[in-house]
Amino acid sequence: AQRVTQPEKLLSVFKGAPVELKCNYSYSGSPELFWYVQYSRQRLQLLLRHISRESIKGFTADLNKGETSFHLKKPFAQEEDSAMYYCALSGYGNEKLTFGTGTRLTIIP
Amino acid sequence: EAGVAQSPRYKIIEKRQSVAFWCNPISGHATLYWYQQILGQGPKLLIQFQNNGVVDDSQLPKDRFSAERLKGVDSTLKIQPAKLEDSAVYLCASSLDRTGIYGYTFGSGTRLTVV
Repeated sequence: AQRVTQPEKLLSVFKGAPVELKCNYSYSGSPELFWYVQYSRQRLQLLLRHISRESIKGFTADLNKGETSFHLKKPFAQEEDSAMYYCALSGYGNEKLTFGTGTRLTIIP
Repeated sequence: EAGVAQSPRYKIIEKRQSVAFWCNPISGHATLYWYQQILGQGPKLLIQFQNNGVVDDSQLPKDRFSAERLKGVDSTLKIQPAKLEDSAVYLCASSLDRTGIYGYTFGSGTRLTVV
């Protein structure tokens, strides 16, 4: 079985401060990890994938297989980062995408 | 490119009534997904299609939910009869291939309220 845990339902951070949204996973095979974001009144959309090792809107995420984590980080928060963030997992040969419960990030001006 | 289209945006029905949702994926996307998102929870996969075939429907409550994608393009999800606990946002998504490795593209969803 595959499972994604996002321990924080709500996270408030001051503008300009660092952001870290936590994600832990459980999966017996080789995982594929993703972060999806939903801004107010917009559709759920892909933010980044671990496989591409990219930085999107200043966000990065590193897959740590030892700690089974895929935390999302940004060094300096901006007001436009306020949104709902979902960590998601699928696996090679098991394409079902499993989502965590999400973290609502609020950036305080 | 056009996004994933869903209709209706909102639907209110009484329990034991029937309801249907429609989804048109991005052109050329072979894989289509229906997710259920209950308030305060993450999206949960109900069914995955590859072209017009079902890949995974293990979490679809088959006694009341059904879905089809007859021509391998658009899809319909039906609930009959609806229960109060079916109140949720129903999301449709599509991906280029069945691995989803390039990410899913989601529609805006249908918010269902069962009273």
